[in-house]
Amino acid sequence: GENVEQHPSTLSVQEGDSAVIKCTYSDSASNYFPWYKQELGKGPQLIIDIRSNVGEKKDQRIAVTLNKTAKHFSLHITETQPEDSAVYFCAASPMKTSYDKVIFGPGTSLSVIP
Amino acid sequence: SQTIHQWPATLVQPVGSPLSLECTVEGTSNPNLYWYRQAAGRGLQLLFYSVGIGQISSEVPQNLSASRPQDRQFILSSKKLLLSDSGFYLCACRGESSYNEQFFGPGTRLTVL
Repeated sequence: GENVEQHPSTLSVQEGDSAVIKCTYSDSASNYFPWYKQELGKGPQLIIDIRSNVGEKKDQRIAVTLNKTAKHFSLHITETQPEDSAVYFCAASPMKTSYDKVIFGPGTSLSVIP
Repeated sequence: SQTIHQWPATLVQPVGSPLSLECTVEGTSNPNLYWYRQAAGRGLQLLFYSVGIGQISSEVPQNLSASRPQDRQFILSSKKLLLSDSGFYLCACRGESSYNEQFFGPGTRLTVL
């Protein structure tokens, strides 16, 4: 089955700097890669996703890249702000079927220091 | 878009007591629903999923059970709680696009003493 690894497990950056979180997956059938942000005491929130027919996607200060050959995908946050502090989860999933399991990485705790 | 409600928001229960957590979904019909557990500082563990009323699949053996009595209602239960059942329980709903977006509820914090 699919296995998703995520690095680093913790990350501290100064406000205004960039943050990069990297994930790898094992199942070449995966073609959907969402990223979630979880603030303390809340449920994870989908912030951006990328699909296997796209190599890069950007939404304001957040960008994701995908390398299907290497089975790597990454989250880039530029001009970090204190409100970006949270736990971030990457995930991988195959094409939607009647049963679709999303495999999550273990998470990265991001701290943005004012 | 769908909205997911969970209650209670927090719960403190003694070991050996029963449990019932409820999840309801608005804004969609016949959704796939999921129960996840998140231990403190850990990732998301899929416990159960359901593709329809009365249809439950379990991902890990445990003393928890799930039921789906209505299309947009998903319940997590236990007859006797263990200390190890403590955690943050999240209900999720699959989106309606052709990809596996999952949308999460606000969660229930369960502490078993």
